[in-house]
Order: sequence, then structure tokens, then C-alpha cells
Amino acid sequence: GAVVSQHPSRVICKSGTSVKIECRSLDFQATTMFWYRQFPKKSLMLMATSNEGSKATYEQGVEKDKFLINHASLTLSTLTVTSAHPEDSSFYICSARDLTGVGHNEQFFGPGTRLTVL
Amino acid sequence: AQSVTQPDIHITVSEGASLELRCNYSYGATPYLFWYVQSPGQGLQLLLKYFSGDTLVQGIKGFEAEFKRSQSSFNLRKPSVHWSDAAEYFCAVGGAGTYKYIFGTGTRLKVLA
Repeated sequence: GAVVSQHPSRVICKSGTSVKIECRSLDFQATTMFWYRQFPKKSLMLMATSNEGSKATYEQGVEKDKFLINHASLTLSTLTVTSAHPEDSSFYICSARDLTGVGHNEQFFGPGTRLTVL
Repeated sequence: AQSVTQPDIHITVSEGASLELRCNYSYGATPYLFWYVQSPGQGLQLLLKYFSGDTLVQGIKGFEAEFKRSQSSFNLRKPSVHWSDAAEYFCAVGGAGTYKYIFGTGTRLKVLA
């Protein structure tokens, strides 16, 4: 149980284009999902907290117009990197919090999406 | 301020040797503590977690960790390391009343044959 998927696993795009990454909780409902960014050989940096049916909460320093987050259902959140540039190249990981479980606010992580902007 | 410190950026051990990865945290409330492992290009895999109760926690792949409140530590141990354990290890803290995790900077483990 508690499986989170991400799609795509890898994406390469041209500078100036937009890229959408999906995060799905496959076997549970998640009112809250999180988006992290990980630079090579670095730790995870929380970008934003995504709540179903409401606006995402962005961490300080994260451009909300650059990284658009939508959490339209209890099982799906999307991250759109708009007008991507090479500096946006990174590993993006999502996680989801189980609505009904007793996981003590435990987050379940997706496998990550490698974004490369040329 | 809330933080997680993993003092060792790199650790190298021989296969079959014991392992201890250090994790210290600063957290204002009751902490929930986690250890994750990440292989290159992969996502995070949960090794073990501590919420309450027995302070010695058993996890997958033969790992264990001990919560020491007085030392604000949650060190990860394994009695005999296998070559497949080579990876990056992250300690994280969360807690009641907040959904956010704070991650440590990670420890990269290298295993010598």
C-alpha cells in the first residue's frame, strides 16, 4: 500500500517550453502533496505544499509563477515548470500524505522525475 | 530553529564491517524521525521510522536506528554491510502539527569489496 507514482520519469525539453509533471497516489487519498527539488549530490529542498482544492503554499524563494502546482483531486497533483531554462534542470520528487491512515503525517514518496532543459 | 544534521558527508566501509550513520536533530516538538536511502537516479526508499514507543527501531535490509532524546540523535546502524548498501542516506524529521519534513544533507556510503 501507499504507493506514489510520478510521470514522466525523465523529460528533456528545449529552453522556453513548459513541462508538466504528474504525481499520483495510487492506493490512497491524499489531501496534501509535497513537491521537492533535488540538485545533484544534494539534499531535498521542499518547494511547495499542495492541498486538494486550494492554492499551493510555496516555500520562501520559490517562484510560484515559474512552478505552477495544481491539486485537482485527492489522488493527483501536477507541477508545471513554465518557460523552463537550463537552471531548472533537476530531479523533482513528490510525496503524498495519507488522508485516512495512521501514519502520523507520514509522507510517501514518488520515484522522482529527472528534468533536463537544453 | 528546526534542523537536521548529518555530520558525515562521505563514509567508506569494507563489506562485512559494521556501519553507523549519525543524525542529530533540533526540533521544538515531539519529533517523528525517518531514515531514507536513495540509489543514484532513484527516488527515496524508507528504511525505518520512529514515532513513539521503543526507542530501538528495526527497519528493512537489516538496518536499525536508536532514538536518544537526551542527545537529540537518531543514528542508523547495520551490523554487517553489503556491497548493495552503497547509496545516499537521508535522515528526516517531522512531527505532530506539521506536515513538513526537514531533511539532512545526506551521507554517501561507499562499500569496499
